[in-house]
Amino acid sequence: GAVVSQHPSRVICKSGTSVKIECRSLDFQATTMFWYRQFPKKSLMLMATSNEGSKATYEQGVEKDKFLINHASLTLSTLTVTSAHPEDSSFYICSASSRDGSYEQYFGPGTRLTVT
Amino acid sequence: AQSVTQLDSQVPVFEEAPVELRCNYSSSVSVYLFWYVQYPNQGLQLLLKYLSGSTLVESINGFEAEFNKSQTSFHLRKPSVHISDTAEYFCAVTLGGYQKVTFGTGTKLQVIP
Repeated sequence: GAVVSQHPSRVICKSGTSVKIECRSLDFQATTMFWYRQFPKKSLMLMATSNEGSKATYEQGVEKDKFLINHASLTLSTLTVTSAHPEDSSFYICSASSRDGSYEQYFGPGTRLTVT
Repeated sequence: AQSVTQLDSQVPVFEEAPVELRCNYSSSVSVYLFWYVQYPNQGLQLLLKYLSGSTLVESINGFEAEFNKSQTSFHLRKPSVHISDTAEYFCAVTLGGYQKVTFGTGTKLQVIP
């Protein structure tokens, strides 16, 4: 099946620094990728929808200047958390839709971000 | 807009007993339905999906779910659970492959030995 990877799997950074998370579709082309955030003991909340070659569409309440999303190719999308603060600590998960019409989104394994 | 309701946040069940995890959805148009499983500190794995056709869908590890349009439900069932089934289960809906997925709040299945 289709595989989506995320890197890094865990990252610890200091408050005020920026951190970049990569999401790659390994064996298929993903025209659309999604970024989710999962709070402890909560469901996944969609942050933004990323389409290759165009600007991301952010959900209401998500700061686009804080969470920078780039979808430069059909296999790579990146999420950069700028000027991170402890409240940004969370589990970030990406997903990708393939072009095969299967209506399935393939999820990455997630990235645990801890801001100290 | 679509929404998903999982009424049970936690479901404890003894090993080898049957289990049902409930999921109800709301949408003004046709949706596609999914169940995902998440093990601790891991991402989501697709368990099963309903796109069209037979309303009863099955997974390779013994789970099944039935799409009931009149009751707008997609409950997940397993006749005999195993310790390894302990995980969090998310019901989800989408309008299409390139549309966002809306998740329920999740149900934590705890299998008791």
